[in-house]
Amino acid sequence: EPEVTQTPSHQVTQMGQEVILRCVPISNHLYFYWYRQILGQKVEFLVSFYNNEISEKSEIFDDQFSVERPDGSNFTLKIRSTKLEDSAMYFCASRESGGGRAEAFFGQGTRLTVV
Amino acid sequence: GDSVTQMEGPVTLSEEAFLTINCTYTATGYPSLFWYVQYPGEGLQLLLKATKADDKGSNKGFEATYRKETTSFHLEKGSVQVSDSAVYFCALRDTGNQFYFGTGTSLTVIP
Repeated sequence: EPEVTQTPSHQVTQMGQEVILRCVPISNHLYFYWYRQILGQKVEFLVSFYNNEISEKSEIFDDQFSVERPDGSNFTLKIRSTKLEDSAMYFCASRESGGGRAEAFFGQGTRLTVV
Repeated sequence: GDSVTQMEGPVTLSEEAFLTINCTYTATGYPSLFWYVQYPGEGLQLLLKATKADDKGSNKGFEATYRKETTSFHLEKGSVQVSDSAVYFCALRDTGNQFYFGTGTSLTVIP
């Protein structure tokens, strides 16, 4: 069964460092997402991406965040200068078209710990 | 704006008990509704979905009916098992791309 894969599964970084979280969405999917979940809290939307550009983003997704689809298969989230409060589980998701009916498929997540 | 309100947890049940997790939503259009499950240490997996009013989504003994009149999508299971212990998230997607999630309800089933 096709799945969304994320790497690494766990990343520890020092405050102020840049991190890149990687995702390989399901191959025929057209819409890509990043969500995050701070420990014990709700799943928060960061950004959605379609047709090689950002289609929606939340207030959380400020200038320190960026996304890229560098080669037609990977989808990356870059955090330029990490802060302690960026520590969270980051989930990548993708969906096919299918209008409003299509569900999102989520990866296993990358646990980011900023120290 | 669109939002999902979920029953607060945690919920602890004995094996074979009946489960209900309440979910209500606010949406401007005609959303699709989803239940996702997160097992310990894992990502979000789709449990079931319903895409229009009066649809019933079902999977693994879980059911939820899309009720437009009460804007609800309550999750039910007649007889829970220890393996159902997880966090359950209600979600919707309306006219935009974004999925909106509830806060999650933690379920623990004890033998």
